[in-house]
Amino acid sequence: DADVTQTPRNRITKTGKRIMLECSQTKGHDRMYWYRQDPGLGLRLIYYSFDVKDINKGEISDGYSVSRQAQAKFSLSLESAIPNQTALYFCATSASGWDQPQHFGDGTRLSIL
Amino acid sequence: AQSVTQPDIHITVSEGASLELRCNYSYGATPYLFWYVQSPGQGLQLLLKYFSGDTLVQGIKGFEAEFKRSQSSFNLRKPSVHWSDAAEYFCAFNFGNEKLTFGTGTRLTIIP
Repeated sequence: DADVTQTPRNRITKTGKRIMLECSQTKGHDRMYWYRQDPGLGLRLIYYSFDVKDINKGEISDGYSVSRQAQAKFSLSLESAIPNQTALYFCATSASGWDQPQHFGDGTRLSIL
Repeated sequence: AQSVTQPDIHITVSEGASLELRCNYSYGATPYLFWYVQSPGQGLQLLLKYFSGDTLVQGIKGFEAEFKRSQSSFNLRKPSVHWSDAAEYFCAFNFGNEKLTFGTGTRLTIIP
């Protein structure tokens, strides 16, 4: 089984719908992150959490919210989806420490019509 | 401001040829440095990392990278590429806050 699991892997939905993307991990890491990837822009940080009681905005948090339900679970919500939120979304985890690499899920491809 | 630059959007290399992917940063100190690879339909996989010590670091899949402080660079190299190396490559830096700043990526195409 994958260490970082994202569900769903693909989702097509309509403008205005509420969407939740889920991430779970079995690595025992404290840190969890949500990114979106757009062609030519690399990965941009949406939200991050350093532990269950700690939630922080990233560089592009507008239009998104998150919930850290447990150490192992971190979900991303789009309250009212819009077409420019069509992207590939990644969840990542890391142990604490500046030298720790991040470990990524396989991504959720989200299309908003 | 801190920034990461991958100047090459797309590189095409013949199988068996050598490879160098460029990455530069702007920062007043030495960041923590990473290279990741993304194969189609998959997440990012760590190739290697550098924090201190020997400036030439070895990674998985035969890759290596060299940190050059004077040039603010951390270029990725491989002596002989294989068709399976076709992917997108990202450098990423931690500027001391446990968050990664990614470059925009370089897509590598391998031709027979």
